[in-house]
This record gives sequence, structure tokens and C-alpha cells, in this order.
Amino acid sequence: KAGVTQTPRYLIKTRGQQVTLSCSPISGHRSVSWYQQTPGQGLQFLFEYFSETQRNKGNFPGRFSGRQFSNSRSEMNVSTLELGDSALYLCASSSVSTNEKLFFGSGTQLSVL
Amino acid sequence: QQQVKQSPQSLIVQKGGISIINCAYENTAFDYFPWYQQFPGKGPALLIAIRPDVSEKKEGRFTISFNKSAKQFSLHIMDSQPGDSATYFCAGKAAGNKLTFGGGTRVLVKP
Repeated sequence: KAGVTQTPRYLIKTRGQQVTLSCSPISGHRSVSWYQQTPGQGLQFLFEYFSETQRNKGNFPGRFSGRQFSNSRSEMNVSTLELGDSALYLCASSSVSTNEKLFFGSGTQLSVL
Repeated sequence: QQQVKQSPQSLIVQKGGISIINCAYENTAFDYFPWYQQFPGKGPALLIAIRPDVSEKKEGRFTISFNKSAKQFSLHIMDSQPGDSATYFCAGKAAGNKLTFGGGTRVLVKP
């Protein structure tokens, strides 16, 4: 079974731009969560989607948004990028049967210049 | 507000030694406490997890000890190997799949 796939692997943007990151969960997994990882703040929860509905949200500004499609694939969008948005963005998926066990992708490394 | 405090930030252990990482939490709504292992360039991978109604769980060389009254839990890595060199994160889970992570511990196992 293929793991969680995140694209692109690396991304370089400039301040003020927007960016879209993509996540394909493990086949059969309907829950997708997004986390931001930085050296200073560590791993922080962004949001979680289940069956195309956002079911949980972290404490991030409205510039961070996401969505989930009917095939469970998910995207997250960051608008009006700031330097502080530079981070590794991780996607994790889980299934109904193993709800608490999250499987993480390798992440998208975003650099904002 | 950091709801899960993890220590130490880093540790060095000799091959065959014991690595011990400690975590303390504040949120009594947490009902699941996983430990994740992360290698450079990779996402975190679940190592072992425990629920608050259990005081200890062992899987191979990895053991979680849990003290509900003290709101503390720890990871013990027995017979540490160079391949265990990684960053370890504790976490607590409340609603849904929202994990609150500790700050991480970088473990280096010297041969």
C-alpha cells in the first residue's frame, strides 16, 4: 500500500504570494490532518478534514485554509505569504478502523523569501 | 500555551544504553498519548502509544510509563542502537485527530 504522498516536496515563494500544497492519503483513509513544523514552534496542528468536512481547526490565521475532495485527497492553501510561514508542512491520514493512528507524509518544505 | 512539555531537548547515549525522555501535560481531556519518531527528511512515524488507564506499555525495546495523577509520561529506549538516532516527539490527543506535540528530543546514539 502506498503511503501518504505530498507534493511538491520543496517550494520557494516570495512574500505576498499564495501557495497550494497537495496531499494524497493512504488508499481507504478518509481523515486528513495538516501540521506545520518549524524549529521554533515545533509541530502545530492546522486542521483536519473528514469526508470533505473540516472537523477540527488549530489556532492559525484565516490565511491558512484547506479542503478535501470526494476521493479524500486534500489541499491546503496559504495566502499572502509571510516570512514566518517558512516551514515543513506535514499531512497525515488515518482510517476509521485505526482512527488514532496517524500516518504522516514526508512533507512539503516551504521557503518564503 | 504549550500543553505538552518535553525534556530533555537532546541527549547522547552510548550504544546499548538506556534513553529516557519525559513529557508532562496539562490538558486532562487527552485520552491517547502517542510517541512519534522522526528521521531527517521524513515525516513522524508512530512508535508506540498508551491510554491513560494503563500505567505501562512495552513494545520490543520501547516502553512507555504513564503516571496519570502526576500528568506525566515517559519513553524508555532500552539497548539503544545507532539506528535509534532520531528526533522523538510525545503528544496528547483530545478531540478528533488533533495532536498536541511536545517540543521534541533529539537522540544521538554513539557506537
